[in-house]
Amino acid sequence: DGGITQSPKYLFRKEGQNVTLSCEQNLNHDAMYWYRQDPGQGLRLIYYSQIVNDFQKGDIAEGYSVSREKKESFPLTVTSAQKNPTAFYLCASSIGLENYGYTFGSGTRLTVV
Amino acid sequence: GQQVMQIPQYQHVQEGEDFTTYCNSSTTLSNIQWYKQRPGGHPVFLIQLVKSGEVKKQKRLTFQFGEAKKNSSLHITATQTTDVGTYFCAGQGYSTLTFGKGTMLLVSP
Repeated sequence: DGGITQSPKYLFRKEGQNVTLSCEQNLNHDAMYWYRQDPGQGLRLIYYSQIVNDFQKGDIAEGYSVSREKKESFPLTVTSAQKNPTAFYLCASSIGLENYGYTFGSGTRLTVV
Repeated sequence: GQQVMQIPQYQHVQEGEDFTTYCNSSTTLSNIQWYKQRPGGHPVFLIQLVKSGEVKKQKRLTFQFGEAKKNSSLHITATQTTDVGTYFCAGQGYSTLTFGKGTMLLVSP
């Protein structure tokens, strides 16, 4: 079955460390997204990518970085510059950027200890 | 930038009661989408509305898109315990979706 796989499901990080969250999709979707979800805050866009080797900053990109070397993969690195990294991170994909519903992965819950 | 407001933030109903959540955008939208997130889960796409004044139904769920394409609503008739979760609207302006903060629905049996 096609879908989006995020790993790991839970991640603990020490302050000052970078950490990379994995996102892989086999839906043949062109567009991919990273959202951050905090309690009561809804979903906020971190980065998105329309095609391979191209990505754009979202509303809260500071302290994060991404790459899109393959159509199927869109990893997110949470750097030590991100001041409040503890959150639920959701990866999504869609056929194209506009007028298509998003398919979400099951998420990664990151906790800074 | 584009803002999408959603009310109420939270609603607790008895099973069998109706439920409505409302969504308002600061700008005209090309489309609006609705998602459901079960507790501990991830958002799941429910529907997309594109046309002004559009109304779509999915069993007990009725979705409306306003005439000005700036507001939308989701109405659930005769709620069931399986309807529990957070319902998000998401508006599309000229590029990506902007999500509302969601309405958390709790249904008591």
